[in-house]
Amino acid sequence: ETGVTQSPTHLIKTRGQQVTLRCSSQSGHNTVSWYQQALGQGPQFIFQYYREEENGRGNFPPRFSGLQFPNYSSELNVNALELDDSALYLCASLASRGAKPPYNEQFFGPGTRLTVL
Amino acid sequence: AQKVTQAQTEISVVEKEDVTLDCVYETRDTTYYLFWYKQPPSGELVFLIRRNSFDEQNEISGRYSWNFQKSTSSFNFTITASQVVDSAVYFCALSEGNTGNQFYFGTGTSLTVIP
Repeated sequence: ETGVTQSPTHLIKTRGQQVTLRCSSQSGHNTVSWYQQALGQGPQFIFQYYREEENGRGNFPPRFSGLQFPNYSSELNVNALELDDSALYLCASLASRGAKPPYNEQFFGPGTRLTVL
Repeated sequence: AQKVTQAQTEISVVEKEDVTLDCVYETRDTTYYLFWYKQPPSGELVFLIRRNSFDEQNEISGRYSWNFQKSTSSFNFTITASQVVDSAVYFCALSEGNTGNQFYFGTGTSLTVIP
């Protein structure tokens, strides 16, 4: 067990809706990253938060947004859902000395499986 | 262009056979980090190893070993005497020194160990 939890486990939404996915990191982990993993693909970096500020973003549109809270929890929000948003969403937390690398291992949660109909 | 290439999509081996999973990476940074993760059917990515670009020593951990060769930009992973519990998808990942907050993952290799 990594100590990282995600909720919900599964979610079904329809196109155009909005969704919020949640992640609870290990205590003391000040950095959280979110990844999207489409079926049969590797995880794709969405963005990272360090001490509640966005600290890097991958090639995802602005309708993907996030929040990080002082209690080591975080959210991924996706607006105007599209069919291609169907994927496993993973969060990963780590304890970082700063906003820059090097990083130790990231601890991944079990993911939220989002299906958009 | 893909920063991490795992050319083997699926591999099947019989239990107790050795198997090597290939990983080729691409980066212009002189400082970078390479990782291997295991993803069982439950979906959670399990950390196996981290290597930095300045340490080319090969590493062995039980039945697992890793061969890092900068000359060929490869970071291959070998499982010796495979077991059914090794069946999973394995991902190689790269984190670059200057923008290391982003992990670049390969497309994964699905390993099936047949009893």
